[in-house]
Amino acid sequence: DIQLTQSPSSLSASVGDRVTITCRASQRVGRYLSWFQQKPGQAPKLLIYAVDSLQSGVPSRFSGSGSETDFTLTISGLHPDDFATYYCQQTFTSLFSFGPGTRVDAK
Amino acid sequence: EVQLVESGGGLIQPGGSLRLSCSVSGSTVSLNYMGWVRQAPGKGLEWVSVLYVNDNRYYADSVKGRFTISRDSSRAPFYLQMNSLRSEDTAMYYCVRDMGDGYTAAWGRGTLVTVSS
Repeated sequence: DIQLTQSPSSLSASVGDRVTITCRASQRVGRYLSWFQQKPGQAPKLLIYAVDSLQSGVPSRFSGSGSETDFTLTISGLHPDDFATYYCQQTFTSLFSFGPGTRVDAK
Repeated sequence: EVQLVESGGGLIQPGGSLRLSCSVSGSTVSLNYMGWVRQAPGKGLEWVSVLYVNDNRYYADSVKGRFTISRDSSRAPFYLQMNSLRSEDTAMYYCVRDMGDGYTAAWGRGTLVTVSS
């Protein structure tokens, strides 16, 4: 099974800050790495797929990068609507897995 | 756009059974897989089961032998039969699917399963 780790587990930031979250896989996942945003009481929402492709309707301040086993989600200018928990996910193996999540809250 | 709607959750005693359903409407785009993801209260996301269009099925170790995923067709509802339920199965259960590209773009709003005596 592929294990995903995320860092940090939580962070405090201000509106306008640049935020970076990293995800590391225990083995290579090709381009089958996605990022999700989840707000309390809501289902997760796909932000980034295939490492760096922006899902339709998602603001361009969100971007993804990385390769092999190391990946990054960047929010370039945090908006008030971006305070949430972020998860990475791999769909490379037959049974997928999520990272443990990174909570972004207001400083 | 694909819409997914879960049903069948509720309060059940330990050792009991529930069958979750996921209805699918909207776009007719093909898919590679459908599945179930759960989230225990205050916890992260956990893949429960995946059913591929070729009928291959996979389960998390935590539910293997107790849960069964099934479907009638690629567009009809799909299901999660949950037997021998335990308190640790208490969670919000989301049905999900891809849009033919391998990425989990479509999610339902979830159905809550509570296992308690």
